[in-house]
Amino acid sequence: ETGVTQTPRHLVMGMTNKKSLKCEQHLGHNAMYWYKQSAKKPLELMFVYSLEERVENNSVPSRFSPECPNSSHLFLHLHTLQPEDSALYLCASSQDWGRAHGYTFGSGTRLTVV
Amino acid sequence: GQQLNQSPQSMFIQEGEDVSMNCTSSSIFNTWLWYKQEPGEGPVLLIALYKAGELTSNGRLTAQFGITRKDSFLNISASIPSDVGIYFCAGQLPSGSGGSNYKLTFGKGTLLTVNP
Repeated sequence: ETGVTQTPRHLVMGMTNKKSLKCEQHLGHNAMYWYKQSAKKPLELMFVYSLEERVENNSVPSRFSPECPNSSHLFLHLHTLQPEDSALYLCASSQDWGRAHGYTFGSGTRLTVV
Repeated sequence: GQQLNQSPQSMFIQEGEDVSMNCTSSSIFNTWLWYKQEPGEGPVLLIALYKAGELTSNGRLTAQFGITRKDSFLNISASIPSDVGIYFCAGQLPSGSGGSNYKLTFGKGTLLTVNP
């Protein structure tokens, strides 16, 4: 039990579909993150939420839309994705934004866009 | 943006051997971190380093924060099969006002395979 739960673990979607990734943390953390992990590339930070406010948006295409309804839940809404968006999407949380030693990652959602 | 050069990209070793991997950067970092990611899981923090020259151990793992603050290495002694996975370095430097918010930059990872 890592404290950060991501669902689904695997997702296959067509380019015209709309789907959502869910992340839930039970650690009482105030910051949550979405990362994209592609083969042979460094983890790419996509979005950061601190106290339910988006504080970082790293030039991510608008086909990715995050939502943080409360400090325990984070969503990533997906629509009209491209095949190159296929990757492992990792959610993480930390006590406060940027507390490096306190990052806890979920197990990720393996996304395949067909 | 910041970039970390992590090497080697992959290693194939025999059980019992020692392992060494490192990360270098053209930028100075205030914090160096080492993570391990096992198949089907997210990264898990192994060691965090906060001071230049710091040497920290966690069981068979030892990591050092380079004196120049631009590099770090991780050693694994007497490897065992469960050491397999991808090892990531990450560096952090302050950004934003007051230094209270930090960006974390990751290396591309070192894939470790241990043959029994």
